[in-house]
Amino acid sequence: DAGVTQSPTHLIKTRGQQVTLRCSPISGHKSVSWYQQVLGQGPQFIFQYYEKEERGRGNFPDRFSARQFPNYSSELNVNALLLGDSALYLCASSLSDRVPYEQYFGPGTRLTVT
Amino acid sequence: AQSVTQLDSQVPVFEEAPVELRCNYSSSVSVYLFWYVQYPNQGLQLLLKYLSGSTLVESINGFEAEFNKSQTSFHLRKPSVHISDTAEYFCAVSDIRNYGQNFVFGPGTRLSVLP
Repeated sequence: DAGVTQSPTHLIKTRGQQVTLRCSPISGHKSVSWYQQVLGQGPQFIFQYYEKEERGRGNFPDRFSARQFPNYSSELNVNALLLGDSALYLCASSLSDRVPYEQYFGPGTRLTVT
Repeated sequence: AQSVTQLDSQVPVFEEAPVELRCNYSSSVSVYLFWYVQYPNQGLQLLLKYLSGSTLVESINGFEAEFNKSQTSFHLRKPSVHISDTAEYFCAVSDIRNYGQNFVFGPGTRLSVLP
């Protein structure tokens, strides 16, 4: 069975541009969470979606938005990119939005803002 | 709000030696605790978790961690490491009142196992 997949693998954008990152959860998983991992730091929670509804939002500006589609895949959008948005963006999927259901992480999308 | 401290950013250790990776957390409420491992160019993988019950939890590959509520710690240990254990290790907490899965991660500890 395929794991969590993310696209693209790498991305280079210019400051001020907009970017869309995509995530496909494990088949049957209805919860998707997004994390930002800046180099040398631990992942920081951005959003969680379950059954197409937002279940949680981390401390990120409104430039960050996300949505979940009927097939449970998800997109993370970042507008007006800043140099500080350069990071590895991780997607995690789970059967449920509740602990102790395990979160399975994808390999991430490496975003570089120049 | 919760926070996680991993005091050791890097831990070098020789193969077959024991290792302890330290994790301390701060929270005003009860938490669930997790250890994740990240191998180079890969996503995070759950190593072990403490939800309730026995304070000593074990993973299938020989790691163990003990929840110490009084010291607010969840240190990770392995009695004998292998070269393949070289990776980044992250401690994470989750508020048990919040049924969501928005974990708070520590900054990570890079374990380097030397031959």
